[in-house]
Order: sequence, then structure tokens, then C-alpha cells
Amino acid sequence: DVKVTQSSRYLVKRTGEKVFLECVQDMDHENMFWYRQDPGLGLRLIYFSYDVKMKEKGDIPEGYSVSREKKERFSLILESASTNQTSMYLCASSFPGAAYEQYFGPGTRLTVT
Amino acid sequence: GQNIDQPTEMTATEGAIVQINCTYQTSGFNGLFWYQQHAGEAPTFLSYNVLDGLEEKGRFSSFLSRSKGYSYLLLKELQMKDSASYLCAVRGNPGNTPLVFGKGTRLSVIA
Repeated sequence: DVKVTQSSRYLVKRTGEKVFLECVQDMDHENMFWYRQDPGLGLRLIYFSYDVKMKEKGDIPEGYSVSREKKERFSLILESASTNQTSMYLCASSFPGAAYEQYFGPGTRLTVT
Repeated sequence: GQNIDQPTEMTATEGAIVQINCTYQTSGFNGLFWYQQHAGEAPTFLSYNVLDGLEEKGRFSSFLSRSKGYSYLLLKELQMKDSASYLCAVRGNPGNTPLVFGKGTRLSVIA
């Protein structure tokens, strides 16, 4: 079974703090993704990566950065958390290619106060 | 640009059949995916269509018409556990691009 794990299910941070969200997958997937999910807006792509040390901006990268030092791990970094980054963050991974589905982690619900 | 539309909410009765529609306008097309997401949980993969026609998988079927930019997910013999959000997602060009998701349809199954 494919497993995508995220470091925390719930996280509360203060405005201005630096926040790290970690994602690990155990299926040797090349592709990894970070989305955020908000009511009425659906899933929106923040960043993705096709390989170690590679990263591509998604639709809403502002205020975020990422790191992929190992194939199995993809980190999302909020350099200076703001209240509008309160959201559910979902990590996903997949094999390369059009026919492959993305497998999602359980999500991290981040609240910035 | 990419645009994916699906109804926001639907309600159906236990034991009935429900059809959830999805229309899309994308720059390039390399497949359409349906996901199920229960409240507070991760989306899980249901189906994949890349050619026109119907794909059946137990109680769930998915249909695609590429010329119309249209898909539907058909759920038969509805059960209470089918209450969830159903997400339509499209893969554009090139073939290895991330999925683009619609906003999801929240289905409530009532007795």
C-alpha cells in the first residue's frame, strides 16, 4: 500500500513564525506536490517537484517555499506565517506519467493566530 | 487557462442512483480523474478516464466525452457511507503535469 505521511495533523502557529510542514512517501515516487484546501476554493497547487532538488511553482506559491533534499521527502516552508495561510495542507505523490494517480497524505490543519 | 466546474452540493436517497457532472476547459488533455474525500480525510482515487466512454468499477462508473469537455461519476445503490465530497481533476499538457482540481461536489445521502 502506498503511504504518504505528514508530520502533524494539527498545528497552531503565531503570525510571523517560520513553519515547516514535512511530507514523506514510501513508494519511490518521483513526483511530489503540495496543495492547500479551503472551503469554496477547492484544492490549489502551491509547489511541486519532479525530482530531488527540483521544484516548480504552482498556482499560489507566494509566501511559501519548498525543499526536496531526498526523493522520499518534500517539505513546505512558510517563511513568515500570516493569518491568511490558515488552511488544510495536503501533500501528494505519484509516479511520472499521465495515467498515474496522485496519492494524498492525511493533511495538516494549520491555524495561524 | 483551466476551468473545471461541478455542482457544489447534491442530496440523494439511500439505495438510489446519483450522477455527478463535471465540465472542463483545459489547455491540453491527458486524462480525467475522480476522487472521493470524506470530511477531515485525504482524497482517495476512484477512477481514471482518458478515452471516451464508460468505465465501470463496482457501484461506481465514470464517463468521459472529450469533444464535449464533459465527464460524470455515477454512483449506484447509494449507501450512507457514500456521503462525501467528490472531486473532479484534469491532467493537461504535458502528460506529467500536476492534476488540476474542481472545487468538489458535496454529496449527502439521506435515509
